Amino acid sequence: DAKTTQPTSMDCAEGRAANLPCNHSTISGNEYVYWYRQIHSQGPQYIIHGLKNNETNEMASLIITEDRKSSTLILPHATLRDTAVYYCIVYTGNQFYFGTGTSLTVIP
Amino acid sequence: DSGVTQTPKHLITATGQRVTLRCSPRSGDLSVYWYQQSLDQGLQFLIQYYNGEERAKGNILERFSAQQFPDLHSELNLSSLELGDSALYFCASSVGTSGRLWTDTQYFGPGTRLTVL
Repeated sequence: DAKTTQPTSMDCAEGRAANLPCNHSTISGNEYVYWYRQIHSQGPQYIIHGLKNNETNEMASLIITEDRKSSTLILPHATLRDTAVYYCIVYTGNQFYFGTGTSLTVIP
Repeated sequence: DSGVTQTPKHLITATGQRVTLRCSPRSGDLSVYWYQQSLDQGLQFLIQYYNGEERAKGNILERFSAQQFPDLHSELNLSSLELGDSALYFCASSVGTSGRLWTDTQYFGPGTRLTVL
């Protein structure tokens, strides 16, 4: 029972910003939004997480709407190595529901 | 490198057999999680252990079982294997706490690819 909705696939030109949207309209007040990515069949890699405020780290930025019903992951300067499946996850306290994710293809 | 190790990397076995997958968490992490990823099901949460005790159960079959040992490594046992059990099995670990925690980043290992023939 994934609590998130993401587009199936997206393309992004190399060097441009990649903006990956996620809807989580049933999120509860204490539940965090997490983003992971999976490259080929490697283990999922942590990117970023947040609760209410926008967050930024060395990999990406996370923009969460004021009502918390949606968020956007931003990769500021996409590279070919960013091609992966990106999962938006609402953490329920003990389980990660990965859903189907967004397959991002960075195009040269 | 996440710091989580899994062995073996690949496993090929026959239907009806039993296998054991092993996971060593990151140093200091008390929680271990197991996930199954198959082509048609995506990433599915199986089970979580915290400091040796079962914490949460997901879509884990009765033919599967897991445990976490005093040194915090974990094993996932799969028995009476069927063709449909062929998948990537991931282990993840996190710091975890004794209570419900609303933020707890999980770090994933490289996975074990199980092929049942």
